[in-house]
Amino acid sequence: DTEVTQTPKHLVMGMTNKKSLKCEQHMGHRAMYWYKQKAKKPPELMFVYSYEKLSINESVPSRFSPECPNSSLLNLHLHALQPEDSALYLCASSQDGTGVGNTIYFGEGSWLTVV
Amino acid sequence: AQSVTQPDIHITVSEGASLELRCNYSYGATPYLFWYVQSPGQGLQLLLKYFSGDTLVQGIKGFEAEFKRSQSSFNLRKPSVHWSDAAEYFCAVGAAGGSEKLVFGKGTKLTVNP
Repeated sequence: DTEVTQTPKHLVMGMTNKKSLKCEQHMGHRAMYWYKQKAKKPPELMFVYSYEKLSINESVPSRFSPECPNSSLLNLHLHALQPEDSALYLCASSQDGTGVGNTIYFGEGSWLTVV
Repeated sequence: AQSVTQPDIHITVSEGASLELRCNYSYGATPYLFWYVQSPGQGLQLLLKYFSGDTLVQGIKGFEAEFKRSQSSFNLRKPSVHWSDAAEYFCAVGAAGGSEKLVFGKGTKLTVNP
């Protein structure tokens, strides 16, 4: 079973709202990722958590705040977003964070529209 | 640092025809190579991967890919395309030695004509 579950599938939020995207996996993976994908572009890495610790932050603005409550869950807290932040946000996981021979499995994504 | 080039932005084939999507990578050591497919409005699904061993790898949905070190290529093939194969295809390379970053190519959009 290689399933990464993301909720909600669609989210519309105003620029002053606070919302969260949620991600869950039950594959025993110890690395989890957030990617951002704009239309007609490849996914871009935002954050990596390895063993529940933030290991990579790709210079993402602070209006995006990740959280890893436990090894199965990953959240992305959103606050004061801009319209240009509208995109597909993909969660992913892999066995561990070493990257050696790891396969990264993606969820279906959360479509975010900022109005 | 690794990089990936997918030379074809858009490819159109007829249903039942064969398909080859090109991918070239740049990496100084043994790469870990992946092909993902993304249907409109969906997430990325892993088609196949190459870590080591046999250079011809089989994937899901009848796809295969061949790793050619001398050409730094990892081309994706399918002998007979189905209309449901219409999607965006991404080649990606992962680095060995502790990197958690997967570098994607820009993608190739596949259109299938009836």
